[in-house]
Amino acid sequence: QKEVEQNSGPLSVPEGAIASLNCTYSDRGSQSFFWYRQYSGKSPELIMFIYSNGDKEDGRFTAQLNKASQYVSLLIRDSQPSDSATYLCAVHFGNEKLTFGTGTRLTIIP
Amino acid sequence: GAGVSQSPSNKVTEKGKDVELRCDPISGHTALYWYRQSLGQGLEFLIYFQGNSAPDKSGLPSDRFSAERTGGSVSTLTIQRTQQEDSAVYLCASSPRTGGEGEAFFGQGTRLTVV
Repeated sequence: QKEVEQNSGPLSVPEGAIASLNCTYSDRGSQSFFWYRQYSGKSPELIMFIYSNGDKEDGRFTAQLNKASQYVSLLIRDSQPSDSATYLCAVHFGNEKLTFGTGTRLTIIP
Repeated sequence: GAGVSQSPSNKVTEKGKDVELRCDPISGHTALYWYRQSLGQGLEFLIYFQGNSAPDKSGLPSDRFSAERTGGSVSTLTIQRTQQEDSAVYLCASSPRTGGEGEAFFGQGTRLTVV
């Protein structure tokens, strides 16, 4: 059973600070990694993907992948109240289905 | 269309009735997923279609649930003899690739209420 684990939170971060979201996965063969954001009552939307070890930056978002330790993280710099949402980590194992974690609820405190 | 389209957006049905939920994936996407999400909960995987391969039905909760994908495009999720615990948002997602780079894009969901 391939698993993706996330701390469910809630995670509260002051506005302007860095929010750090973490995800671990069970299968060393995993190839691609995704972060989705889901606002309450809305569908998940893809915000970042990463395939290689290291960091990938996109605006205020940085995804970090460490395949040896089997974790992927998402950093949100200069957190804004609009970043308050549930963040879902997803992992792709070869030709199998995309597997989602249960999500971390993030609240940015003004 | 430009995105994944699901219909209907909302469905209210009486307990015991059958319902069909439709998903139109992004054109050219080979993979299609159905998920269920209850209020305040995470995504519950239901079924995965990938090209011409046999679907992964491992998430279907009971034999009342079935899904098909015709011509590698449109998919229909059918729930027979609906129960109140089937009430949830049903999300469809499609993905353009097999294997390593399989980001999925979600539709807006169908909110099913069984009364």
